[in-house]
Amino acid sequence: AQKITQTQPGMFVQEKEAVTLDCTYDTSDPSYGLFWYKQPSSGEMIFLIYQGSYDQQNATEGRYSLNFQKARKSANLVISASQLGDSAMYFCAILNNAGNMLTFGGGTRLMVKP
Amino acid sequence: SAVISQKPSRDICQRGTSLTIQCQVDSQVTMMFWYRQQPGQSLTLIATANQGSEATYESGFVIDKFPISRPNLTFSTLTVSNMSPEDSSIYLCSVELSTDTQYFGPGTRLTVL
Repeated sequence: AQKITQTQPGMFVQEKEAVTLDCTYDTSDPSYGLFWYKQPSSGEMIFLIYQGSYDQQNATEGRYSLNFQKARKSANLVISASQLGDSAMYFCAILNNAGNMLTFGGGTRLMVKP
Repeated sequence: SAVISQKPSRDICQRGTSLTIQCQVDSQVTMMFWYRQQPGQSLTLIATANQGSEATYESGFVIDKFPISRPNLTFSTLTVSNMSPEDSSIYLCSVELSTDTQYFGPGTRLTVL
């Protein structure tokens, strides 16, 4: 079984500053994938970034980067230069080795202050 | 990525009735997934729908309550049967495209009175 833990139910960040959203995971699979999704109030789930468990480098996508520490089983999302439009729920998720089971964490609500 | 649409975008239904949600993708995909997100909660996988085979349901979800169709590689439906207020949720479909990444449709907000 896989498990994702997001310990921050809510976070505030000042506009233009960077913010780190925490994610730890537990899995017995030798290979897995880690994802971050953004869910604005409209309800859609927007894919942000992916990290494979055997990737040597941390993933980056524009203002998003994933701080992957395999030994600590953590996959924190870093958002640089926060914008008001970044206010949303953020979900961390893990994909199992078979590629057919995506397990989500409880989410973190990010609020960007002007 | 792909363009994924869902119909309806939202609905308000009476208890005891059924609602069928459609998911359409603009490219052929092997795996499609259906999720439920109850109010204030995270997403939970209901079932995996592969074309040409029966859907695979996760623990706690049964075919009689959530029948799924997958008639071709671009389309799937999820029916929420004999609804009760506890079924009020956002229902999302997703498709797997590249690098095991799942992309989601816009969701269907269901309220059961």
